Amino acid sequence: SQQGEEDPQALSIQEGENATMNCSYKTSINNLQWYRQNSGRGLVHLILIRSNEREKHSGRLRVTLDTSKKSSSLLITASRAADTASYFCATDARTGRRALTFGSGTRLQVQP
Amino acid sequence: DAGITQSPRYKITETGRQVTLMCHQTWSHSYMFWYRQDLGHGLRLIYYSAAADITDKGEVPDGYVVSRSKTENFPLTLESATRSQTSVYFCASSNSPGLAGATSSYEQYFGPGTRLTVT
Repeated sequence: SQQGEEDPQALSIQEGENATMNCSYKTSINNLQWYRQNSGRGLVHLILIRSNEREKHSGRLRVTLDTSKKSSSLLITASRAADTASYFCATDARTGRRALTFGSGTRLQVQP
Repeated sequence: DAGITQSPRYKITETGRQVTLMCHQTWSHSYMFWYRQDLGHGLRLIYYSAAADITDKGEVPDGYVVSRSKTENFPLTLESATRSQTSVYFCASSNSPGLAGATSSYEQYFGPGTRLTVT
């Protein structure tokens, strides 16, 4: 079963607009990570937020985490055509296994 | 600095054949993982390894075998390929635990993937 579920499944915006993607998960976690996947490529790590953090920033990325609602959001500000990709949340559950559980992803299309 | 590589990048095989997908990393990362990616399922963990000679099942291990005799290699074998194993396979690695305050030890680094078609 999937730990993380992203919403929306697909998102199309204009360059310069902000993009917000949401992720929900089911069990307690150590941390939550966001990855990007360009078409036909492997995943690239974007940002990690620990379970005791509520918000984190990295460049144009802003991640929030609400452990009471078991949800996270990824905001990409001032989007660029190069941000076109699929975005996945991944959770590191408190099992000691260090294996991540990925959601099904949000496909982001940024129109130039 | 090659990082993490997978071979072959594309493979077509017949039902019932044995096929091995290779994964090699140059960072000496302790942890290595195999995922498969199918439409509508995201990535699902097949097997992972915490160190050489230590492996464990993930979410979808049936029909797969792994080994880890060397830290840098983590081959995945489909013992008797089935059409349901048609997928894109990704290998990943991550650093050792215990690096004080280092959230980077939780990041996973992915290979470019192997697209496998079973006919």
